[in-house]
Amino acid sequence: ETVLTQSPVTLSLSPGERATLSCRTRQTVNSLYLAWYQQKPGQAPRLLIYAASNRATGIPDRFSGSGSGTDFTLTISRLEPEDFAVYYCQLYGSSPPWTFGQGTKVEIK
Amino acid sequence: IQLRQSGPGLVKPSQTLSLTCAISGDSVSSNTAAWNWIRQSPSRGLEWLGRTFYRSKWNYDYADSVKSRITIYPDTSKNQFSLQLNSVTPEDTAVYYCARGGHEFDSWDQGALVTVSS
Repeated sequence: ETVLTQSPVTLSLSPGERATLSCRTRQTVNSLYLAWYQQKPGQAPRLLIYAASNRATGIPDRFSGSGSGTDFTLTISRLEPEDFAVYYCQLYGSSPPWTFGQGTKVEIK
Repeated sequence: IQLRQSGPGLVKPSQTLSLTCAISGDSVSSNTAAWNWIRQSPSRGLEWLGRTFYRSKWNYDYADSVKSRITIYPDTSKNQFSLQLNSVTPEDTAVYYCARGGHEFDSWDQGALVTVSS
């Protein structure tokens, strides 16, 4: 089973700053199979990015995804107050199981 | 699309956890969608449990961690799908979600806490 490692565990930033979140896999994966989610307290995860770099419907363009092989990145260009949340990456491969990372919390500095 | 989950919030150890997810705005028999159960707990994080989907016939995939205890099944007459998890222990205490998605999950319900306790 491919393991996903997210870093950092916590990112302390101010509104307006740039956030860079990392997701690393143990083995090379097809970038078509990497997604990012945002989760706020008491809510379900919300899909932000699929296939490594495609924004889901309604997601602002300050969110972008990049990467390939074993290293993937979610970038939030300028943090808005509503962006402070936990972010998860997900690997979905060509067949199950689907795997989530342990999350990165973006908190207000 | 809207997903609405129902089921008990408290289950006794060794019993069966049963949840149902009602679908509006899509069809459980869709040839392009898949219907998933995912759970989240502090100890295990987000954990995909399994899915069902229709491609000329019904298909089922389950996570190895629960494969011996889980059944996911569709109900086309009510446009919903259900989760049964047998022989539960306190480690099955989690927030359970139903979600649509063949690979990434683009629609989720609000989630429901299920506690396993006597």
